Amino acid sequence: SQTIHQWPATLVQPVGSPLSLECTVEGTSNPNLYWYRQAAGRGLQLLFYSVGIGQISSEVPQNLSASRPQDRQFILSSKKLLLSDSGFYLCAWEQGREETQYFGPGTRLLVL
Amino acid sequence: GESVGLHLPTLSVQEGDNSIINCAYSNSASDYFIWYKQESGKGPQFIIDIRSNMDKRQGQRVTVLLNKTVKHLSLQIAATQPGDSAVYFCAEKAGGSYIPTFGRGTSLIVHP
Repeated sequence: SQTIHQWPATLVQPVGSPLSLECTVEGTSNPNLYWYRQAAGRGLQLLFYSVGIGQISSEVPQNLSASRPQDRQFILSSKKLLLSDSGFYLCAWEQGREETQYFGPGTRLLVL
Repeated sequence: GESVGLHLPTLSVQEGDNSIINCAYSNSASDYFIWYKQESGKGPQFIIDIRSNMDKRQGQRVTVLLNKTVKHLSLQIAATQPGDSAVYFCAEKAGGSYIPTFGRGTSLIVHP
């Protein structure tokens, strides 16, 4: 069966520090991968998605970037965090664009 | 993109009652719909999905109804239990798009 991992689970970082969040998927190959951010009490905001290694589509211009160095690995990064980057970051995968997206456990990021 | 919305932000029910959570969508090209359950601090969990060639689909204690005429989606939970307390999201995808649209969510509160 397929599983999706995210780490760390919780992160507290100072403003201006770098960020690296990692997501990996097991049990599948060539998945579509997604990064979302969820602010408290709000819906999911799509940040990036990837349909293959090295292919990244950005949905929202911002302080973040994404990379996909391996088929089942998706990384969310920032060179300098802003207070507004705080939130709950979710990674998701799907086998095809007409299939269900499955979410990881999330990373809670607090920027102080 | 077009929006997917929820009629009720909070729904309170008694244990054992049936719950109905509603969702309206506006994109007539949407052909795939998904319901997710999100518990506090966790990633959304897939509950059930339905494609536009169906109007009803049943799972374990859950039923999804799709009315394409009025662009309405509902999730019915039978014999609601305290463990069903969570935020429920609907999502839709259109025509093989990579990008789903999520509703803001409805908070279901089940009282023992």
